[in-house]
Amino acid sequence: DAGITQSPRYKITETGRQVTLMCHQTWSHSYMFWYRQDLGHGLRLIYYSAAADITDKGEVPDGYVVSRSKTENFPLTLESATRSQTSVYFCASTPDFHNSPLHFGNGTRLTVT
Amino acid sequence: AQSVTQLDSHVSVSEGTPVLLRCNYSSSYSPSLFWYVQHPNKGLQLLLKYTSAATLVKGINGFEAEFKKSETSFHLTKPSAHMSDAAEYFCVVSNNDMRFGAGTRLTVKP
Repeated sequence: DAGITQSPRYKITETGRQVTLMCHQTWSHSYMFWYRQDLGHGLRLIYYSAAADITDKGEVPDGYVVSRSKTENFPLTLESATRSQTSVYFCASTPDFHNSPLHFGNGTRLTVT
Repeated sequence: AQSVTQLDSHVSVSEGTPVLLRCNYSSSYSPSLFWYVQHPNKGLQLLLKYTSAATLVKGINGFEAEFKKSETSFHLTKPSAHMSDAAEYFCVVSNNDMRFGAGTRLTVKP
């Protein structure tokens, strides 16, 4: 089915561990985004990508790493997880940054203990 | 720089009564504006968008929003609330980047 898929849906990890959240879209959209959602903050942009091999920092990039070797995949890695990274993470894609809406995955709920 | 402010963190209405969710924005250039809805444990879904065409924008599920440049507002309305409208709503401004409001939680009482 066409769409945007995030995995896993739920993840519990320990402080200091590396964890990777996966995002896959089937539309061949150029733009992909990672957001985190925290109570009272809405969605904050972590990283985005305009095309394969092109990534850029968003509002809150510290502690995160991304890659985009293929157009359809945009994994997000927490190199050394901290409790402050406990959050719900959303991946999104769009063909046109300015005029087209974002298509969101269902999110990954990450708990860092 | 651009920003968006949702003026109410929580709105509660009775079923069948009108809904008003308020959004103000600031942007140096003519922005695109969006409203998204998020139901529990789900991703965000587009309700409607404004991209410099008609100032009154109709969306899904009976929602609409009016772009008022003089007031820098993009308030979301619906004439009659339904129980299924209970959700979190986000206003978004897009220009050089995309900024989300903090969200408004809509509660619908029977």
